[in-house]
Amino acid sequence: ILNVEQSPQSLHVQEGDSTNFTCSFPSSNFYALHWYRWETAKSPEALFVMTLNGDEKKKGRISATLNTKEGYSYLYIKGSQPEDSATYLCAATSGGSYIPTFGRGTSLIVHP
Amino acid sequence: DSGVTQTPKHLITATGQRVTLRCSPRSGDLSVYWYQQSLDQGLQFLIQYYNGEERAKGNILERFSAQQFPDLHSELNLSSLELGDSALYFCASSPRSSGGVNEQFFGPGTRLTVL
Repeated sequence: ILNVEQSPQSLHVQEGDSTNFTCSFPSSNFYALHWYRWETAKSPEALFVMTLNGDEKKKGRISATLNTKEGYSYLYIKGSQPEDSATYLCAATSGGSYIPTFGRGTSLIVHP
Repeated sequence: DSGVTQTPKHLITATGQRVTLRCSPRSGDLSVYWYQQSLDQGLQFLIQYYNGEERAKGNILERFSAQQFPDLHSELNLSSLELGDSALYFCASSPRSSGGVNEQFFGPGTRLTVL
């Protein structure tokens, strides 16, 4: 089981601010990195799956980058809106087990 | 709506009892994953089934067992329940066997409370 860390644990921003948070994972034997968005009282929803070093993915105002050599991924939200308020989870899998290990998440609250 | 269904939504039971949680994957998905989320921990992977066969096992207690049936629905059985088993149990599905690159679609979860 991998050690997947997310920072910060929580983040409060104002509407319109851009923000980013980090997911760190062991770089050895890396296989894939997932980002999920988890709104209160709902279930996690997949945002991105990334596998290659240097991968960049974008969905609307949300984008993510991946650095497999140093073992981190960034998630960016441009022009945050109150509806972006959620917990953002990352999960990493290694080539050995293919079992996803989730971080504890970053809780984002966007104030109007 | 992810297309994954879980029943029941809530379950309250007593210590020592046994319960069964049920999951129906998205139409066409062959893989089912079970996760546990306790208050003090993140999402913990329990077990994965692919097309009826166990594919991967995480930190699943011996008191817990699961199976996937020919119609691809899955059940998670929890026995000799303890207070610490109180948690949110999620089921997720994906089209193929490898959870590594396939995105997983999560069900709404079953909230288990052991009193």
